[in-house]
Amino acid sequence: DAGVTQSPTHLIKTRGQQVTLRCSPKSGHDTVSWYQQALGQGPQFIFQYYEEEERQRGNFPDRFSGHQFPNYSSELNVNALLLGDSALYLCASSLQPVGTGELFFGEGSRLTVL
Amino acid sequence: AQSVTQPDIHITVSEGASLELRCNYSYGATPYLFWYVQSPGQGLQLLLKYFSGDTLVQGIKGFEAEFKRSQSSFNLRKPSVHWSDAAEYFCAVRATGGFKTIFGAGTRLFVKA
Repeated sequence: DAGVTQSPTHLIKTRGQQVTLRCSPKSGHDTVSWYQQALGQGPQFIFQYYEEEERQRGNFPDRFSGHQFPNYSSELNVNALLLGDSALYLCASSLQPVGTGELFFGEGSRLTVL
Repeated sequence: AQSVTQPDIHITVSEGASLELRCNYSYGATPYLFWYVQSPGQGLQLLLKYFSGDTLVQGIKGFEAEFKRSQSSFNLRKPSVHWSDAAEYFCAVRATGGFKTIFGAGTRLFVKA
């Protein structure tokens, strides 16, 4: 049973560039959430996708956008990168957006902005 | 607004000693509560969760947590710590019917021989 997979695992960008991160949810899961985890901090909720729509968004600027595909996989796009965007980006999948379902996390994509 | 507070940034315990990690939440009703563990360079793994019913919940790796409504707390415990338990521990909360799970800042556990 494949868990949550993310790509790439590491990447380096420069300020002003754009980045796309990808996530495949755990088999059978239909909901994908994205989190940003800065060094030494807890994960911060970016947004959640279900049925190819953004269901809820955290306190992140419009530079952060996403997409969910019919196969439930998802992308996170960040435009006009800032140094402060350097972080571990975690994708989590769940069965349905609400309810008692737990989040299953991938190992993350480590983004460094120079 | 919901929030989660983990008062201890880091804790050091001796191998074989007992452990308690504190977690307090702010929410108008009883939310769903979780504890996750993160080893270096890895994603988060669920240790245990509380939704309703018995306030003492058992999880994986010998961990347990107790929900105390009067104190808005959900502390994580383990009777005997192993060196492999060294990691970062996150308490998390989700509103009943809510979409997002909110995480605390985490407590880093160090285990000394």
